[in-house]
Amino acid sequence: NAGVTQTPKFRILKIGQSMTLQCAQDMNHNYMYWYRQDPGMGLKLIYYSVGAGITDKGEVPNGYNVSRSTTEDFPLRLELAAPSQTSVYFCASSYDRSSYNEQFFGPGTRLTVL
Amino acid sequence: KQEVTQIPAALSVPEGENLVLNCSFTDSAIYNLQWFRQDPGKGLTSLLLIQSSQREQTSGRLNASLDKSSGRSTLYIAASQPGDSATYLCAVRNQGAQKLVFGQGTRLTINP
Repeated sequence: NAGVTQTPKFRILKIGQSMTLQCAQDMNHNYMYWYRQDPGMGLKLIYYSVGAGITDKGEVPNGYNVSRSTTEDFPLRLELAAPSQTSVYFCASSYDRSSYNEQFFGPGTRLTVL
Repeated sequence: KQEVTQIPAALSVPEGENLVLNCSFTDSAIYNLQWFRQDPGKGLTSLLLIQSSQREQTSGRLNASLDKSSGRSTLYIAASQPGDSATYLCAVRNQGAQKLVFGQGTRLTINP
């Protein structure tokens, strides 16, 4: 059971480039989330999904897109990278929204936009 | 709007001490509260989850308490060890919400 996996671990982009951050979970969780963590700040929610084919915006969705075609995968797309998107990105999942279900986090992707 | 605060931002104690980390939140209508550990350059590891109907949860040397009426949670670490050095984050989920609202964390250093 690998839990939540993310690729790549590190990436440097130039302004205006695009990339997709990959996230997968093997726990058969319905809910998946993308957060970003900026230095000295708490994590902020970018997008989330409650099941395959269903996604919704979080607090800071501008500049990002997501899709969820399978239960296991939840990729995050950056279309036109900007320096403000330099951050550490975490994917998370939970079985459902019950109060006793924890969110489990992946190891993160550290992105630098120059 | 829910806001979560963790004080102090950093804490350094000698090995073997018992210690308490604090978390406060502004909106008491929470669904649950989770404590995480984050090692440098790593992801978040879930330590304990307390549902809104619970007062505390325990796992090994860790005990987390919740007082919704005062908007506070504490994480008690018994007999601290150098391996406990990490940043500890608390996060709350409001009723009806999907997201976790995180505090900024307490960076804990245990000195041998």
